Amino acid sequence: GQNIDQPTEMTATEGAIVQINCTYQTSGFNGLFWYQQHAGEAPTFLSYNVLDGLEEKGRFSSFLSRSKGYSYLLLKELQMKDSASYLCAVGNSGGYQKVTFGTGTKLQVIP
Amino acid sequence: EAGVAQSPRYKIIEKRQSVAFWCNPISGHATLYWYQQILGQGPKLLIQFQNNGVVDDSQLPKDRFSAERLKGVDSTLKIQPAKLEDSAVYLCASSPLSPRGYEQYFGPGTRLTVT
Repeated sequence: GQNIDQPTEMTATEGAIVQINCTYQTSGFNGLFWYQQHAGEAPTFLSYNVLDGLEEKGRFSSFLSRSKGYSYLLLKELQMKDSASYLCAVGNSGGYQKVTFGTGTKLQVIP
Repeated sequence: EAGVAQSPRYKIIEKRQSVAFWCNPISGHATLYWYQQILGQGPKLLIQFQNNGVVDDSQLPKDRFSAERLKGVDSTLKIQPAKLEDSAVYLCASSPLSPRGYEQYFGPGTRLTVT
């Protein structure tokens, strides 16, 4: 089976930097995903890491350490519109891409 | 390109009634997913199709839930009979085959309330 842990809630200030951590246990690891979900809306894809290291995409960066079963999503220059839930998800292999989502971290950005 | 379409957007039914949801994925996407998302939780995979074949339905409550994907395009998810605990948002997603098969595109979801 799979186990994914991430904080339930976080609060950060507009303009600041916030790091959302995710730890996981899985067999047949095939990638770590981050999705953003605004309240009442569908998730949207942010990033995919399959190799160790940092992937940067504008204000958002995602890091993966496969040996530690650990990932984080880094959001820089926070904006009010970044208030959302951030879902960590793990892909596993097996002939097709199956993704298991964590419960999500609700981020509130305050002025 | 048009996104994933779902209907209806909202549905309220009484327990023991039946309900059906429809999904039209992005054109050309081979893989289609149905997720159940209960308030405050992450999406839980119910069933995954590749073209019109099922590749994973291990978490689908098969005594009451069924799904089909006709001609490898549109899909319907049915619940019969519904229970109170089925109240959730039902999300449909699709993804292309490689090289970006890992990226899922979600529809707006159907919010189901069972009373």
